[in-house]
Amino acid sequence: DIQMTQSPSSLSASVRDRITITCQASQDISTHLNWYQQRPGKAPKLLIYDASTLESGVPSRFSGSGSGTDFTFTISSLQPEDFATYYCQQYDSLPITFGPGTRVDVK
Amino acid sequence: QVQLVQPGAEVRKPGASVKVSCKASGYTFSAYYIHWVRQAPGQGLEWMGWINPNSGGTTYAYKFEGRVTMTRDTSISTVYMELSGLRSDDTAVYYCARVGGSSGYRLSYWGQGTLFTVSS
Repeated sequence: DIQMTQSPSSLSASVRDRITITCQASQDISTHLNWYQQRPGKAPKLLIYDASTLESGVPSRFSGSGSGTDFTFTISSLQPEDFATYYCQQYDSLPITFGPGTRVDVK
Repeated sequence: QVQLVQPGAEVRKPGASVKVSCKASGYTFSAYYIHWVRQAPGQGLEWMGWINPNSGGTTYAYKFEGRVTMTRDTSISTVYMELSGLRSDDTAVYYCARVGGSSGYRLSYWGQGTLFTVSS
C-alpha cells in the first residue's frame, strides 16, 4: 500500500494567516492526489483534485501543488470557517489511502 | 442537487452483519461510481471500496475482502454496503461518496454518514 504522511499533524493559526500543509507519498504518485476538509461531525468535503485543480465552488484562497512524492496545500488567508482537519488522498494505486490528517485550530 | 442520504445509526453485536443504505438523488444514478469510506472515532479516513451502479461491478480494499459486499438497486437509486463478522474495531462512521466528473477517484459528494456501533 502507498503510505501517506502529512505535516504538521496540527497547527494553530489566526484568521488571515497563510498556512501550508505538506503531504508525502511513499512512492511516486504523479499528480494523483486530492485534498479534503472535514469539520467536526461532518462529512469530508473535496477541495482540490489532481493535486492542483480547485473543485467547483471552492474559494480561490485554497490551492495545491506538487507531483511525484511531495505535495503542498495552502490557504492564503485563513477564514473562520477554515478551522478544520485536512486530509490528502492518493489514488495512484489501490487501495486508495488517506493521510492521517492535519488539524488546524485557533491560536 | 446531488444528494446521498444514509441512515443515522446502527447497533450490532459482535459477529453480526449490517447492511447500510445510501440513497442517491439529483443525478443519473448509473452514471457515477460510489465509494465507501469509514472513520473510526477520533481517527482518519479509510477507503473500503467502490461499486459501479451501472454494471454492479465492485472493487474492494483487500483488508475487507470476504467481509464486505457492495450492491445496488437501480429501481430505487440506492447502493448498499454490507459488512459481516463485525468486531468492536468496526465501530465507525461509514460514508458513501459519489465521484465527480469523469474521475473515478475524486469524491465530490458525500452522504452524511452512518454511525455503526458494535457492542455486546
